[in-house]
Amino acid sequence: QQQVKQSPQSLIVQKGGISIINCAYENTAFDYFPWYQQFPGKGPALLIAIRPDVSEKKEGRFTISFNKSAKQFSLHIMDSQPGDSATYFCAATFNNAGNMLTFGGGTRLMVKP
Amino acid sequence: DGGITQSPKYLFRKEGQNVTLSCEQNLNHDAMYWYRQDPGQGLRLIYYSQIVNDFQKGDIAEGYSVSREKKESFPLTVTSAQKNPTAFYLCASSIRQFSGANVLTFGAGSRLTVL
Repeated sequence: QQQVKQSPQSLIVQKGGISIINCAYENTAFDYFPWYQQFPGKGPALLIAIRPDVSEKKEGRFTISFNKSAKQFSLHIMDSQPGDSATYFCAATFNNAGNMLTFGGGTRLMVKP
Repeated sequence: DGGITQSPKYLFRKEGQNVTLSCEQNLNHDAMYWYRQDPGQGLRLIYYSQIVNDFQKGDIAEGYSVSREKKESFPLTVTSAQKNPTAFYLCASSIRQFSGANVLTFGAGSRLTVL
């Protein structure tokens, strides 16, 4: 049972454009939503994270938008650059989960020069 | 530099053979994890360990085994009972905490191919 659904599976964006990746979750107990970025041949690394008490969090060109009522959250990459080309994973967990994360299926982003 | 070291980076196995993937961390983290990555399926948890000499099954533990004899080490054995072992395997660690969420630090992964 996949509790976090991520879309699209792949995405091609022109340099300077906006990349948008969406995730939806089922478990209303989830209270922490991180995004991980993975470059080819490497392990994922934490990019940005949000808790449901805020609707948006911005770090540089990366923004998480969170809609608690719809149980959805999304990652926006503004002014996308070729160096942003990577696989992005959304994830979710809840208090007392002991660091157990439920991951989405991943989105492979390619930013064309 | 602190981090997680996985070895080997690439491994080829014949059907019916067991293989062991190494994972070592020098971050002084209590918790360690093994994930399997397949295209389009995200990361699926195989096993995790919150403390030395203790570990629990994750979502897809069948055909795998682990040990946690030292805080720094969490090797994964892919046994012949695993029917579809070809995948990218990721080891991770985190500070042990019972509430809230902590950052997972991942290794660079090991790619296993069954011939």
